[in-house]
Amino acid sequence: AQSVTQLDSHVSVSEGTPVLLRCNYSSSYSPSLFWYVQHPNKGLQLLLKYTSAATLVKGINGFEAEFKKSETSFHLTKPSAHMSDAAEYFCVVRNYGQNFVFGPGTRLSVLP
Amino acid sequence: DTEVTQTPKHLVMGMTNKKSLKCEQHMGHRAMYWYKQKAKKPPELMFVYSYEKLSINESVPSRFSPECPNSSLLNLHLHALQPEDSALYLCASSPPLGSGNNEQFFGPGTRLTVL
Repeated sequence: AQSVTQLDSHVSVSEGTPVLLRCNYSSSYSPSLFWYVQHPNKGLQLLLKYTSAATLVKGINGFEAEFKKSETSFHLTKPSAHMSDAAEYFCVVRNYGQNFVFGPGTRLSVLP
Repeated sequence: DTEVTQTPKHLVMGMTNKKSLKCEQHMGHRAMYWYKQKAKKPPELMFVYSYEKLSINESVPSRFSPECPNSSLLNLHLHALQPEDSALYLCASSPPLGSGNNEQFFGPGTRLTVL
């Protein structure tokens, strides 16, 4: 069965400092992996995705993530946090089929 | 058109009311989803339609009744809801398998309050 673990329920950083949000997955197949962001009372927006091409994936708003098969990880990073990055972030895995499995989410706070 | 639309944005209903949520996409996606999301939690899958047929029902109570009248439209009919059903209801769609583009596209959600 697929599962997704996000190791931190809450991460707090200062504006201008790096962001690291961690995600580990378990999957029987070669998965597709996604990071979504959700601002308060909004829908989910795709930040980036991994679908078995390049292992370092660049997304919108300066975010990127690296797929590491040996570590079953897909951590999200950004070199310099901005106040507008404060939101909930979800790591999602999709195996063969129409089912998407969500991680529990990480709330990112950005301090001035 | 690369978006999923949902109406209404907000809905307040009593426990004896009947209402419907609507979701629409014109991206040619053949899979459509309903999720329920409570505060500070990830979206929780309710239903999946694939090629207009119900393919996944995650043991959702019968007071929620989905309908997919065509490939662009997805409805969620609500009847005799409980206060604990208050949540953000999200609709999503995804392209057919093998299309090379396999993420979900989400609508903005309907904020439902049951009194």
